[in-house]
Amino acid sequence: DGGITQSPKYLFRKEGQNVTLSCEQNLNHDAMYWYRQDPGQGLRLIYYSQIVNDFQKGDIAEGYSVSREKKESFPLTVTSAQKNPTAFYLCASTSTGGFQPQHFGDGTRLSIL
Amino acid sequence: QKEVEQNSGPLSVPEGAIASLNCTYSDRVSQSFFWYRQYSGKSPELIMSIYSNGDKEDGRFTAQLNKASQYVSLLIRDSQPSDSATYLCAVTPSGTYKYIFGTGTRLKVLA
Repeated sequence: DGGITQSPKYLFRKEGQNVTLSCEQNLNHDAMYWYRQDPGQGLRLIYYSQIVNDFQKGDIAEGYSVSREKKESFPLTVTSAQKNPTAFYLCASTSTGGFQPQHFGDGTRLSIL
Repeated sequence: QKEVEQNSGPLSVPEGAIASLNCTYSDRVSQSFFWYRQYSGKSPELIMSIYSNGDKEDGRFTAQLNKASQYVSLLIRDSQPSDSATYLCAVTPSGTYKYIFGTGTRLKVLA
């Protein structure tokens, strides 16, 4: 079955540590997105990518980095510069950015140790 | 002014009633509109997409779009306790690949 796989489901970060969240899709979608969701909040865009080897900052990119070396994969690194990383992280993809609906993975819940 | 606004709720309706959820947006030339349902601790799942003015029906769900007034709504007929969730409205402003989400409306359907 086609879909988006995010891993791990839960992740704990120590002070000063970088952690990487995985997002893989087999939907043959061109566009991929990373969102952060805090309790009682909507989704805030971190980074997005329309094609391989190209990505753009969203509204809250500081303290995060991404890569898009393959169409299927869009990993997100939460760096030590992100001082408040505790949140629910969602990866999404769509066939045509801005027109078609997004499909979401199951999310990764990141907490600080 | 927020780009996409929703009443946070909770909106409480009795089982079997119609639930009406509303969303307003600021970019007059926004092009695509989506409603997602999100259960607590889960990821959003798509309920409806709507692109042109008017109503679009899918089962118990009806999306309504009024571009002149810049609002989109979702009606849920015959509401069930399983419909209790947070409903997110998403809009794609013109000339962008971004999706802008509202903060969601929490719906509680009372048995």
